[in-house]
Amino acid sequence: AQKVTQAQTEISVVEKEDVTLDCVYETRDTTYYLFWYKQPPSGELVFLIRRNSFDEQNEISGRYSWNFQKSTSSFNFTITASQVVDSAVYFCALRGTGRRALTFGSGTRLQVQP
Amino acid sequence: DSGVTQTPKHLITATGQRVTLRCSPRSGDLSVYWYQQSLDQGLQFLIQYYNGEERAKGNILERFSAQQFPDLHSELNLSSLELGDSALYFCASSAGNRDGEQYFGPGTRLTVT
Repeated sequence: AQKVTQAQTEISVVEKEDVTLDCVYETRDTTYYLFWYKQPPSGELVFLIRRNSFDEQNEISGRYSWNFQKSTSSFNFTITASQVVDSAVYFCALRGTGRRALTFGSGTRLQVQP
Repeated sequence: DSGVTQTPKHLITATGQRVTLRCSPRSGDLSVYWYQQSLDQGLQFLIQYYNGEERAKGNILERFSAQQFPDLHSELNLSSLELGDSALYFCASSAGNRDGEQYFGPGTRLTVT
């Protein structure tokens, strides 16, 4: 069985603060993919990143960075110098090789106050 | 804009009724996935089609069915609707059968009264 846990239900920060969203996963698959999606107040799900289980390099994209640690089954997401437009619900998701569906975590609501 | 379109954006209907949600995948994508997002269940996978054939089933109720047409658009049919079916229904598409990112449409918000 696959499981994704996002223990932080809601986080509130002030603009320009850095914030890290935690994601812990469980899977028996030896290879798998991890994803982050953003759901702004408008409701759509926006793809942010995909990471393969055999690639543990951290990734940075502008103010976003991702820290994948296989040893702790974690795939954390950091927003540097947060902005009000970052306010959204962020979902971590997992898909095992050979599986088709994404297993989502329960999401973390991020509120960035001006 | 992900390139995935869904209609209608909002749907309000009564219990016992039947509705059809429509999805057009990104150009070139052969796979279509349906997900349901509700307050109590979160985001759950319902069903996947690849090039017209059903490929995977998740927590889809027997009252729900889907199909993918030759032009690759997909429809999700929900019948004998109950209050608990009120949710946001997402369609996603990907290029392949198994791999690749899934790009989500804007969703259809269904309200059953």
